[in-house]
Amino acid sequence: EVQLVESGGGLIQPGGSLRLSCAASGFTVSSNYVGWVRQAPGKGLEWVSTINSGGVTFYADSVKGRFTISRDNSKNSFYLQMNSLRAEDTAAYYCARHTVGVGLDNWGQGTLVTVSS
Amino acid sequence: DIQMTQSPSTLSASVGDRVTITCRASQSVSSWLAWYQQKPGEVPKLLIYKASNLESGVPSRFSGSGSGTEFTLIISSLQPDDFATYYCQQYSTFPWAFGGGTKVDIK
Repeated sequence: EVQLVESGGGLIQPGGSLRLSCAASGFTVSSNYVGWVRQAPGKGLEWVSTINSGGVTFYADSVKGRFTISRDNSKNSFYLQMNSLRAEDTAAYYCARHTVGVGLDNWGQGTLVTVSS
Repeated sequence: DIQMTQSPSTLSASVGDRVTITCRASQSVSSWLAWYQQKPGEVPKLLIYKASNLESGVPSRFSGSGSGTEFTLIISSLQPDDFATYYCQQYSTFPWAFGGGTKVDIK
């Protein structure tokens, strides 16, 4: 059974940094596309970032240059390093697996990031 | 970048109604289009992939169609469990993008 468990969310001041983690089980992170989707309170879904099986990374324009996605094959986990955080980054962050040709077919439960002074 | 536009943004319907939600892409995404359902406080759930393929376990009252820039999600007979928000997403080209969502509520 595929499972994704996020951790690392919390309250952070504007300009600060936070690292989200997503521990995967039931599949191999390095052989799949994995990434992050966020949802601001009361708003819709926003794709944030993806790392593909070849290790190539992709970012939404809204986070490019501030966020970095990475993975640790030995831990079967992937991460989102978030720097220079802004109030508009406040959201629930979901990690997800994208099966090629299918879509985001497995999601974590989400971790809340609140950027506020 | 490709923009995804859903309509309507809100839809009021009754149990048993046929519901149609439209998603338009600002440029062709071929058939690389998925639909998701999200209920309040829950994680999004994949319903349809590659425009018209039903994800395993999803009831057959859900169907998807379209290609290029115009797509449709149809619920043939709305059930109480279907009151939720629905999102389309293109995964043809990075940056991927979601539509703004369609909330289906009780008339």
